[in-house]
Amino acid sequence: DAKTTQPNSMESNEEEPVHLPCNHSTISGTDYIHWYRQLPSQGPEYVIHGLTSNVNNRMASLAIAEDRKSSTLILHRATLRDAAVYYCILRAGIIQGAQKLVFGQGTRLTINP
Amino acid sequence: GAVVSQHPSRVICKSGTSVKIECRSLDFQATTMFWYRQFPKQSLMLMATSNEGSKATYEQGVEKDKFLINHASLTLSTLTVTSAHPEDSSFYICSARIPGLAGLYNEQFFGPGTRLTVL
Repeated sequence: DAKTTQPNSMESNEEEPVHLPCNHSTISGTDYIHWYRQLPSQGPEYVIHGLTSNVNNRMASLAIAEDRKSSTLILHRATLRDAAVYYCILRAGIIQGAQKLVFGQGTRLTINP
Repeated sequence: GAVVSQHPSRVICKSGTSVKIECRSLDFQATTMFWYRQFPKQSLMLMATSNEGSKATYEQGVEKDKFLINHASLTLSTLTVTSAHPEDSSFYICSARIPGLAGLYNEQFFGPGTRLTVL
């Protein structure tokens, strides 16, 4: 599985935007970029995913570099409930048997009131 | 999004006993389910991939005789921790994938987790 690199932790203030970076220099052409987050004592929650183009949904935006070797998850206006561990994961999109999600260490996001 | 449930949410057992954890996809049929384990302050570790009607595929280092996985129906997968010991105490999380056509993207959803404590 292609590897992702994220900062161990980040801190932001409530109601401010948050940019969570992820490097994935060994990404292959068919790998989807996923973001999940995990609140304490809960299972991971899907945030967003993309392949090549930037993506927006009600939770966040995903900005993907033109060479796809990095991406940034953008929370437009952080709330205290956004405090969680955010995982950036690559998943092969074509081969069914290879479509498992392998979690790295993620970024622990702290939101200050 | 789709809903995945787990039961029980929390279980405490004595060393040497076996514990069964259920994972259900509530509003979709899942041909593939995954089992993860998470120790405190660590990331999720994939244990095995469970395909309906066939044997599970275990990740390297995971004992298949200790962690028995059964995926007997399209909405239910079970993980049985046999002869549990204190070192098996962990947070066990399942996930289920919405089936789709081969080669196309299909989403994966996670259950809320089961906290196992072995005394």
